[in-house]
Amino acid sequence: EAGVAQSPRYKIIEKRQSVAFWCNPISGHATLYWYQQILGQGPKLLIQFQNNGVVDDSQLPKDRFSAERLKGVDSTLKIQPAKLEDSAVYLCASSLDLAGRNSPLHFGNGTRLTVT
Amino acid sequence: AQSVTQPDIHITVSEGASLELRCNYSYGATPYLFWYVQSPGQGLQLLLKYFSGDTLVQGIKGFEAEFKRSQSSFNLRKPSVHWSDAAEYFCAVAGGSYIPTFGRGTSLIVHP
Repeated sequence: EAGVAQSPRYKIIEKRQSVAFWCNPISGHATLYWYQQILGQGPKLLIQFQNNGVVDDSQLPKDRFSAERLKGVDSTLKIQPAKLEDSAVYLCASSLDLAGRNSPLHFGNGTRLTVT
Repeated sequence: AQSVTQPDIHITVSEGASLELRCNYSYGATPYLFWYVQSPGQGLQLLLKYFSGDTLVQGIKGFEAEFKRSQSSFNLRKPSVHWSDAAEYFCAVAGGSYIPTFGRGTSLIVHP
């Protein structure tokens, strides 16, 4: 079973530029999550999709962050414009259905963003 | 709201020694608890989870954890550490949504 794929692995941009991250979940997984992991902290949930609908985006800074999952498979997370404090690893995860006892989260390797 | 405290930022052990990583949680009802491991440049891998039942949970790679409701703790243990166990370890708590809220992590350093 192929895991959660993310690209790019690394990205360096200047502040005020825009950037996009891509995630391809495990085949057949209906639920997709984006987490932000700042250095020295645990991952923090940004947004959760169920198929192509948003379940929870309460922690997403909507003035600069956006995410979509148009066909219920791949997802893109965008930051525009980026700030220095957005430097972090962005992790994508997927689960077979809504997270539950029999539907654990599977994580990708993440995209490390550095904003200079 | 749920939260997790991992009081130790770094833990150093010698290879072959025993290990205990501490985790305290805050949640108003019965929590669901997890331990994840993250090697450099990798994503998070689930080591073990507690939902209900036996409070001593066995996981992968020889790890175990014990849920103690009276102490709001879910400490991770391993009887003999291998050099390959060096990584970042995250404790997480979830409520009814089963979506984990993570602690800040503990970095495990293993000396030969």
